[in-house]
Amino acid sequence: DVVLTQSPLSLPVTLGQPASISCRTSQSLVYSAGNIYLNWFHQRPGQSPRRLIYEVSNRDSGVPDRFSGSGSVTDFTLKISRVEADDVGIYYCMLGTHWPPVYTFGQGTRLEIK
Amino acid sequence: QAQLEQSGTEVKRPGASVKVSCKASGFIFTNYHIHWVRQAPGQGLEWMGIFNPIGSRTTYAQKFQGRVTMTSDTSTRTVYMELNSLKSEDTAVYYCARALGAPDGFDIWGQGTMVTVSS
Repeated sequence: DVVLTQSPLSLPVTLGQPASISCRTSQSLVYSAGNIYLNWFHQRPGQSPRRLIYEVSNRDSGVPDRFSGSGSVTDFTLKISRVEADDVGIYYCMLGTHWPPVYTFGQGTRLEIK
Repeated sequence: QAQLEQSGTEVKRPGASVKVSCKASGFIFTNYHIHWVRQAPGQGLEWMGIFNPIGSRTTYAQKFQGRVTMTSDTSTRTVYMELNSLKSEDTAVYYCARALGAPDGFDIWGQGTMVTVSS
């Protein structure tokens, strides 16, 4: 099974400063069209997760352009260009496989304001 | 707009079963797969399985095979997740979420259902 390893697990950031979270997968899962189904989610305390990024670098509707996703093969990154107070919470990466369909989450990275 | 509405809080005894519902609205039900994800208190997200309304096909995470069943009532656009032989470790918030298909990610999530297993 694929394992996703996030780092850091805790990320204190000053308001207005950038932040970066890494997600490494134990195997490369690139499909024939070159797609990698790596997603990023944000979960605020007491709320359901919300997807920010799909297929490595595509922002979901309504997600501020302060958020960006990048990476390839087994190394992926979520970047926040300028952290705002609303960004606190836990960030998860997730990878899906086509067949059999299996989905794996990273352990989560807790972002807090310094 | 598209949304998933889940059933309310449950409290169960060890050994019992729980059935959580997830009602879809605002989108074509048969165009999406419904996934179930759980989150134990203070822990991360754990994928449980996928339900495809076309043909009622299911795939369950190995950890839950034999203990989980996902079904639907197409007439009410509702998907159900039943977990049997409950243990205290099954205490968690259970979420349903939709995806276009495997291996697409989850773009809409339900609000979550808290299930507490306690004697």
